[in-house]
Amino acid sequence: AQKITQTQPGMFVQEKEAVTLDCTYDTSDPSYGLFWYKQPSSGEMIFLIYQGSYDQQNATEGRYSLNFQKARKSANLVISASQLGDSAMYFCAMRGGIQGAQKLVFGQGTRLTINP
Amino acid sequence: DAMVIQNPRYQVTQFGKPVTLSCSQTLNHNVMYWYQQKSSQAPKLLFHYYDKDFNNEADTPDNFQSRRPNTSFCFLDIRSPGLGDAAMYLCATSRDPSGHQPQHFGDGTRLSIL
Repeated sequence: AQKITQTQPGMFVQEKEAVTLDCTYDTSDPSYGLFWYKQPSSGEMIFLIYQGSYDQQNATEGRYSLNFQKARKSANLVISASQLGDSAMYFCAMRGGIQGAQKLVFGQGTRLTINP
Repeated sequence: DAMVIQNPRYQVTQFGKPVTLSCSQTLNHNVMYWYQQKSSQAPKLLFHYYDKDFNNEADTPDNFQSRRPNTSFCFLDIRSPGLGDAAMYLCATSRDPSGHQPQHFGDGTRLSIL
């Protein structure tokens, strides 16, 4: 079965510092996608970044980058130069695997707080 | 901008009184999903439509139903809401069911049960 593990329930970071949110995954399928979503307190789920299992390079989107280590089955999100508006819940998720490509499997999330 | 729109943003209903949540999309995506998210938990998939084909998750209660009258709209019907159904309900779309396509979410409807 597919599984996503986020081991950091909460993180506190000073504004302008870089932050790494951990994510490990488990699947036996060779083809899958990994995603990070941001959920502010208002509730909307915002898509941040995607990494494909066959991608050779780490994905980047502005201040977000994904540190993809396939052999270790990890897909950590790195936020550079953190801002107060980055305070939110962050979910790592994957699609693909033996259960089919329809379902997006989420981790339990990490609540990030940026301190001024 | 193309987007996923959920109405209403907040919904209050009485115990046992049927309620309908709506979702529309301008992305022209083939797949639409409904998730339930309770406080401090990850979203839980209830069901999805791939075009007109309905796919129910095995553990979704019978109390939850869905309709997709056309590509743009999808509805979540809760026939007899219980106190345990109070949650955020998220609608999402994706272009196709491929594992490499992101799902795009609406702002959610926060449902309260009196």
